[in-house]
Amino acid sequence: EPEVTQTPSHQVTQMGQEVILRCVPISNHLYFYWYRQILGQKVEFLVSFYNNEISEKSEIFDDQFSVERPDGSNFTLKIRSTKLEDSAMYFCASTRDRTSYNEQFFGPGTRLTVL
Amino acid sequence: DAKTTQPTSMDCAEGRAANLPCNHSTISGNEYVYWYRQIHSQGPQYIIHGLKNNETNEMASLIITEDRKSSTLILPHATLRDTAVYYCIVRVADYGQNFVFGPGTRLSVLP
Repeated sequence: EPEVTQTPSHQVTQMGQEVILRCVPISNHLYFYWYRQILGQKVEFLVSFYNNEISEKSEIFDDQFSVERPDGSNFTLKIRSTKLEDSAMYFCASTRDRTSYNEQFFGPGTRLTVL
Repeated sequence: DAKTTQPTSMDCAEGRAANLPCNHSTISGNEYVYWYRQIHSQGPQYIIHGLKNNETNEMASLIITEDRKSSTLILPHATLRDTAVYYCIVRVADYGQNFVFGPGTRLSVLP
């Protein structure tokens, strides 16, 4: 069964450093999402992406964040200058084609630790 | 903010049915009820969704009240692997819409 994959599974970085989290959505999916979950807290929406541009973003997704689909398979989340409060699990998700929009398939997540 | 209310936690004996309630009294006519679960720190997993009719799939059943103000997710024969946080979410069925997760119900399936 096709699945969303994410790399790395765990990223440790120093405060102020740039990080790029990578996701490979399911191949025929058209909408892509990033969510985050701070330890012990709710899953929070960050951004959705369609047709090579941002569709929607939350107030969490400020100028420090950016997303990109650099090729036909990868979908990346970049944090330009990490802060301690960026430490969280980051989940990528994708949605199937326009004929079905009811479930978002989530990846296993990347645990980001900012020291 | 999440538009649903769920109990914080529930226990269920292994092999028994787990019935997880959800209140969504402000649900709009074009909003669906979705259920997801999150096992430990894994990514959320889709379970089932419905608009107003009861739904069943290989994982669970979804019972929605006639006034659509509440629903119940039923896991017919809970196993230890069903221990997870279960999220009830209402949203418009639109491929561009994100999911707004609340705190969910932590279900513990006990041996």
